[in-house]
Amino acid sequence: NAGVTQTPKFRILKIGQSMTLQCTQDMNHNYMYWYRQDPGMGLKLIYYSVGAGITDKGEVPNGYNVSRSTTEDFPLRLELAAPSQTSVYFCASKEGAIYGYTFGSGTRLTVV
Amino acid sequence: DQQVKQNSPSLSVQEGRISILNCDYTNSMFDYFLWYKKYPAEGPTFLISISSIKDKNEDGRFTVFLNKSAKHLSLHIVPSQPGDSAVYFCAAGANTDKLIFGTGTRLQVFP
Repeated sequence: NAGVTQTPKFRILKIGQSMTLQCTQDMNHNYMYWYRQDPGMGLKLIYYSVGAGITDKGEVPNGYNVSRSTTEDFPLRLELAAPSQTSVYFCASKEGAIYGYTFGSGTRLTVV
Repeated sequence: DQQVKQNSPSLSVQEGRISILNCDYTNSMFDYFLWYKKYPAEGPTFLISISSIKDKNEDGRFTVFLNKSAKHLSLHIVPSQPGDSAVYFCAAGANTDKLIFGTGTRLQVFP
């Protein structure tokens, strides 16, 4: 099993550009999450989904959008990138009845 | 509003000794707690968890203790090994689908 796969691993964006961070899981998990990790700030929840067609905001959703058209995929869209979105982004998934997440390896994004 | 706090950014322990990582929380509705370990350039990996109905959970060298009255949990690693050197995140959930993470503690185990 590949688990949770995130692409790309690294990306540099210019201010105002947009991009989509891809996340796919092959474990048939219903729950999927996007977190960002800033230095010394832990992991902050951006958006999450409890199943295909259902998404909800987390702690820091501004500047981001998500969609969940399939169980496997949960892309994160950045519109009009800003330097404040420079961070490491982690996607995670879990089965409904199990609390522990499985994380992807992350996407390091720099906005210049 | 930091609901889950790890007040020690770093900890240095000699190999073979005990490592104790601490975590405090403010939300009394949290009913399960987890510890994750993170190596550089990798995603966090699940280490151990505890439900609020317990005060201790053990898995090999790792033990998590929960003190609900103090809203405090700790992770004990005995004996510590150089491979344990990583950042450890405490996380908590409140009968919901989301986890709230602490800011992490960097553990260094030296020979």
